[in-house]
Amino acid sequence: KQEVTQIPAALSVPEGENLVLNCSFTDSAIYNLQWFRQDPGKGLTSLLLIQSSQREQTSGRLNASLDKSSGRSTLYIAASQPGDSATYLCAVTNSYGQNFVFGPGTRLSVLP
Amino acid sequence: EAQVTQNPRYLITVTGKKLTVTCSQNMNHEYMSWYRQDPGLGLRQIYYSMNVEVTDKGDVPEGYKVSRKEKRNFPLILESPSPNQTSLYFCASSPGDFYEQYFGPGTRLTVT
Repeated sequence: KQEVTQIPAALSVPEGENLVLNCSFTDSAIYNLQWFRQDPGKGLTSLLLIQSSQREQTSGRLNASLDKSSGRSTLYIAASQPGDSATYLCAVTNSYGQNFVFGPGTRLSVLP
Repeated sequence: EAQVTQNPRYLITVTGKKLTVTCSQNMNHEYMSWYRQDPGLGLRQIYYSMNVEVTDKGDVPEGYKVSRKEKRNFPLILESPSPNQTSLYFCASSPGDFYEQYFGPGTRLTVT
């Protein structure tokens, strides 16, 4: 059974720092991996989707990488801002396509 | 505006009283899913649907039913709710296997 973990569970950084969030999964036979952010009491907003055949995706200050063989993905946030404060979740789909498994999330606080 | 809507947003009910949470998307997406989010357990998939009249169990389907009679709607039915179904519920939709998921705003359910 697929299991997804995220390290660290919480992170607090000063504004302007570059940071890396980690996601690990136990079964490398994934279809794709998606990163989300969730603001308190709100729904999830999709940040980046990496298909299993891809190594990385970029959107603005965000860069996500995928290493299927080692079961890892990282989300790199450049020049962090207080507005980046949120919980960041990664999710993987198995080879079936739509059976998503989520990690527990990393709670990020960016201090002004 | 492209979106996933859920109703109601908040619901307090009593044990055993049947309820339905509606989910609708206006993006003509093939795939739809239901999740529940609980502290310490994260997001877990309840059911998903890859097309009209095609549904499948996720990781925690017990106590829930779904139906997909129309492409845009995917209601979640709790025939006999119990207190352990108190949770935050999210509906999501996606165009297909290699595409990102879009989430609704969530429904906070309390069963007393």
